[in-house]
Amino acid sequence: DIQMTQSPASLSASLGETVTIECRASEDIYNGLAWYQQKPGKSPQLLIYNANSLHTGVPSRFSGSGSGTQYSLKINSLQSEDVASYFCQQYYDYPWTFGGGTKLELK
Amino acid sequence: QVKLQQSGAELVKPGASVKLSCKTSGYTFSTSYMSWFKQIPGQSIEWIGMIYAGDGGTGYNQKFKGKATLTVDTSSSTAYMDLSSLTTEDSAVYFCARPRGLWYFDFWGPGTMVTVSS
Repeated sequence: DIQMTQSPASLSASLGETVTIECRASEDIYNGLAWYQQKPGKSPQLLIYNANSLHTGVPSRFSGSGSGTQYSLKINSLQSEDVASYFCQQYYDYPWTFGGGTKLELK
Repeated sequence: QVKLQQSGAELVKPGASVKLSCKTSGYTFSTSYMSWFKQIPGQSIEWIGMIYAGDGGTGYNQKFKGKATLTVDTSSSTAYMDLSSLTTEDSAVYFCARPRGLWYFDFWGPGTMVTVSS
């Protein structure tokens, strides 16, 4: 199975700040990567697919980048509604696997 | 609009089985895939497997073979997941989700909490 290592596990940032979350795959996943946001007690919501494509309706302050084994999610100008956990998911090879998650809080 | 409605929380005894449902609307279920996921609260997400509603064909994460069985009822646009021989390690929230193609998931159900306890 492809292992997805996500960092940091938790992150505290101020409103308006830019934050970056990293995801490293155990092998090349050829941009087969999605990012999800999950708020407490809710289901995950798709943010980014194909490593850098913004899902419909997602604010443009979210962006994804990367290639090979290294990927990142950037949130520009952090808003209060961005407080959530974030997960990466690879879909290059079965079984689909997820990163351990990053819990984003306000400072 | 696309909706996925999941069955209610379950409290089951160790060794028992449980069948979860995911009723869909707003899209053509019979030509779509559905995946299921497990999430222990506060932890990451695991992909259990997927089913193609067109022919009932399935694919499972090896970790969940023998534990989960996926089926569909196209007449009611509903997907089901049977979990068998439950242990406390199966206590989790289980989500159904519709993929874009096969790969990433743009619509999720609200989840069903399964608690295994004597």
